[in-house]
Amino acid sequence: DAGITQSPRHKVTETGTPVTLRCHQTENHRYMYWYRQDPGHGLRLIHYSYGVKDTDKGEVSDGYSVSRSKTEDFLLTLESATSSQTSVYFCAISVGAGDTQYFGPGTRLTVL
Amino acid sequence: AQSVSQHNHHVILSEAASLELGCNYSYGGTVNLFWYVQYPGQHLQLLLKYFSGDPLVKGIKGFEAEFIKSKFSFNLRKPSVQWSDTAEYFCAVNAPGNTPLVFGKGTRLSVIA
Repeated sequence: DAGITQSPRHKVTETGTPVTLRCHQTENHRYMYWYRQDPGHGLRLIHYSYGVKDTDKGEVSDGYSVSRSKTEDFLLTLESATSSQTSVYFCAISVGAGDTQYFGPGTRLTVL
Repeated sequence: AQSVSQHNHHVILSEAASLELGCNYSYGGTVNLFWYVQYPGQHLQLLLKYFSGDPLVKGIKGFEAEFIKSKFSFNLRKPSVQWSDTAEYFCAVNAPGNTPLVFGKGTRLSVIA
């Protein structure tokens, strides 16, 4: 398995609180991605990064922000969590945009 | 915009039955194609991929997929499924360049004894 870790693995929080999820890679891949997975919707891209400080929006970016200050770390922040953001969040990495993506173990977030 | 369609949402098969899961995409140019598998409670793992060359691609665990350009399809097959193949299967497509993968909504496969 690719060297990808996500933290925390599980989190329960309350509506209106800020939440930050971390993705860490040891592969030195240029591209990093954040997805959310929900029943009936499959995987949906939230944001992605193509280098340090270079990010772009995905399909469902509203309510989320990201930062990448180092190659190995990609942070996803929910500024004010809502119940609709209850989901499983996956980080992925790839060498290039069109290349194979390797996925982290996921973070299960519950917003009460 | 690209889209990926997986028409079967849930497939139930008996062990030893043959499997074919459909995947169609809408992009008309050159594409990279992927199938991923997600076992219960786990993350997505790559089953196989097609970038170029032989349109019949063999992957892990006895899976294969055939790229048919004229039909914009990349169907996944396995001649004889096992209970351990119970999982969700995702097709994904990407146009070469700086375009992230687009995933289908997934097909849940349940294999019963």
